[in-house]
Amino acid sequence: NAGVTQTPKFRILKIGQSMTLQCTQDMNHNYMYWYRQDPGMGLKLIYYSVGAGITDKGEVPNGYNVSRSTTEDFPLRLELAAPSQTSVYFCASTITTYNEQFFGPGTRLTVL
Amino acid sequence: AQTVTQSQPEMSVQEAETVTLSCTYDTSESDYYLFWYKQPPSRQMILVIRQEAYKQQNATENRFSVNFQKAAKSFSLKISDSQLGDAAMYFCGCVGAQKLVFGQGTRLTINP
Repeated sequence: NAGVTQTPKFRILKIGQSMTLQCTQDMNHNYMYWYRQDPGMGLKLIYYSVGAGITDKGEVPNGYNVSRSTTEDFPLRLELAAPSQTSVYFCASTITTYNEQFFGPGTRLTVL
Repeated sequence: AQTVTQSQPEMSVQEAETVTLSCTYDTSESDYYLFWYKQPPSRQMILVIRQEAYKQQNATENRFSVNFQKAAKSFSLKISDSQLGDAAMYFCGCVGAQKLVFGQGTRLTINP
């Protein structure tokens, strides 16, 4: 099993550009999450999904969009990138809410 | 909603000694779980230990144990026989209502 994979690993964007961060898991988990981690800080929840076709906002959803058309994939879309979105983005999945979350390796995004 | 507070931004310990990392939380959920995750310099998030809030018995995993004080909403992590590989950021987390909320983290340094 590959677990949770994220692409790309690194990306530099210009202000106003858009991009999609990809996340895929092969563990058949229903629950998937997107977090951002600013330097020296903890992880903050952006969006989450409890199954295909179902998504909901987390703590910091502004400037982001998600979709969940399959169990495996949970892409995060950034529209009109801003310097405040410079961060490391983590995708995670779990079989139920109260179980261990398995994290991807992260995507380091810089917006200049 | 949950809030998690880690009041120690940095801690250090001598190799082979014992260290305790503090965490307090607040939640309106009656059913919740508590976690400690470790993030080494590789950036990978790794589960250290998990505690079910309805269980009075403190969780243990080898050299890692917790002191769960439900009434005080306290969830500290004790690391015994500290090893160089324990050096990392440690995040306390609380999950309820499908969302995992993290504290700000404690950076643990191991002195040889």
